[in-house]
Amino acid sequence: DIQMTQSPSSLSASVGDRVTITCRASQGIGNNLAWYRHKSGKAPERLIYAASTLDVGVPSRFSGSGSGIEFTLTISSLQPEDFATFYCLQCNTYPYTFGPGTRLELK
Amino acid sequence: QVKLVESGGGVVQPGRSLRLSCAASGFTFRNFAVHWVRQAPGKGLEWVAVIWKDGSYEYHVDSVKGRFTLSRDNSANTVSLQMNDLRVEDTAMYYCARGNIAFDFDPWGQGTLVTVSP
Repeated sequence: DIQMTQSPSSLSASVGDRVTITCRASQGIGNNLAWYRHKSGKAPERLIYAASTLDVGVPSRFSGSGSGIEFTLTISSLQPEDFATFYCLQCNTYPYTFGPGTRLELK
Repeated sequence: QVKLVESGGGVVQPGRSLRLSCAASGFTFRNFAVHWVRQAPGKGLEWVAVIWKDGSYEYHVDSVKGRFTLSRDNSANTVSLQMNDLRVEDTAMYYCARGNIAFDFDPWGQGTLVTVSP
């Protein structure tokens, strides 16, 4: 199975900060990676698919990059609704696997 | 509006069975795979299984192979997750989500809670 790691596992930040989350795959997955934001008590929302394509309706402060084994999610200016947990998902090979998550907390 | 709604969760004893359903609306259901994802209390997301759009293929994570099976009724726009021989470690919120052309899945339903407890 493909293992996904994420860093950092948690991060304290302020509204307006720029944040970057990194996701690494244990083997190459091309660009078959998605990013999700999960607010407590809600359904996860997809932000980015195919590593760098912004989902419809997702604010432009989110961007994704990378291919192969290393990927990043950048939030250019944190907003209050971004204090949540972010997950990457490799969708290249079954079983699909999520990263362990990055929890963004308000400083 | 694309919508998925899970149902069927509840409290069950280890070794027993439970059947979850995912009802879809707002899109041509027969054209899309459906995935299941779960989140145990205090843990991260775990992909569980997928069923192909025509029901011809399904894949499961190793921890549920031989215990969980999927089926779908494209005339009723529903997918069912049959969970047998449930274990305490199967306790989680279970979500269904629509597969997408980019191989991932979105949107998700709101989830249904399964608690396996003696």
